[in-house]
Amino acid sequence: GAVVSQHPSRVICKSGTSVKIECRSLDFQATTMFWYRQFPKQSLMLMATSNEGSKATYEQGVEKDKFLINHASLTLSTLTVTSAHPEDSSFYICSAAPGQGPETQYFGPGTRLLVL
Amino acid sequence: AQSVTQLDSQVPVFEEAPVELRCNYSSSVSVYLFWYVQYPNQGLQLLLKYLSGSTLVKGINGFEAEFNKSQTSFHLRKPSVHISDTAEYFCAVSALEYGNKLVFGAGTILRVKS
Repeated sequence: GAVVSQHPSRVICKSGTSVKIECRSLDFQATTMFWYRQFPKQSLMLMATSNEGSKATYEQGVEKDKFLINHASLTLSTLTVTSAHPEDSSFYICSAAPGQGPETQYFGPGTRLLVL
Repeated sequence: AQSVTQLDSQVPVFEEAPVELRCNYSSSVSVYLFWYVQYPNQGLQLLLKYLSGSTLVKGINGFEAEFNKSQTSFHLRKPSVHISDTAEYFCAVSALEYGNKLVFGAGTILRVKS
């Protein structure tokens, strides 16, 4: 149980285009989903927290107009990188939490984004 | 605010030897503590967690960790490592007061040599 999927697993795009990444909780309902970014040889940095049906809460320094997050249902959250540039190339990982308590977040396998 | 320090960026060890990966945290409130493992190009997998109760926590793959409040540490240990344990390990902290957001350490790469 507690499986989280991400699609696509890898994407290459041209500079200036937008890319959508999906995060799904397959066997549970996720009240909250989190989006992280991981640069090579670095740790995960939280970008934003999304709750189903409400606006995402972005961490300081993360541009909300560039990284659009939609949490339309209890099993799906999407991250859209708008007008992507090479510096946006990174490993994007989502996680999903089934409740509000200190439960473990269940992590997706990640999406490798390369912007040319 | 919370922070996590993993002092060792890399730990080389021979197969079947014991290993300890160090983690220290800083927080002004009570915390929950986690260890995750990440294999290349994959997401994170939970090894173990401390929420409350016994300070010695056992996890998957033979790993265990001990919460030491006075030393603000949560070191990860395994008595005998395998080649397959080669991966990157992340210590993380969260707190109810901070919305249970996970704050990660910089990670420690464990390299098991034969």
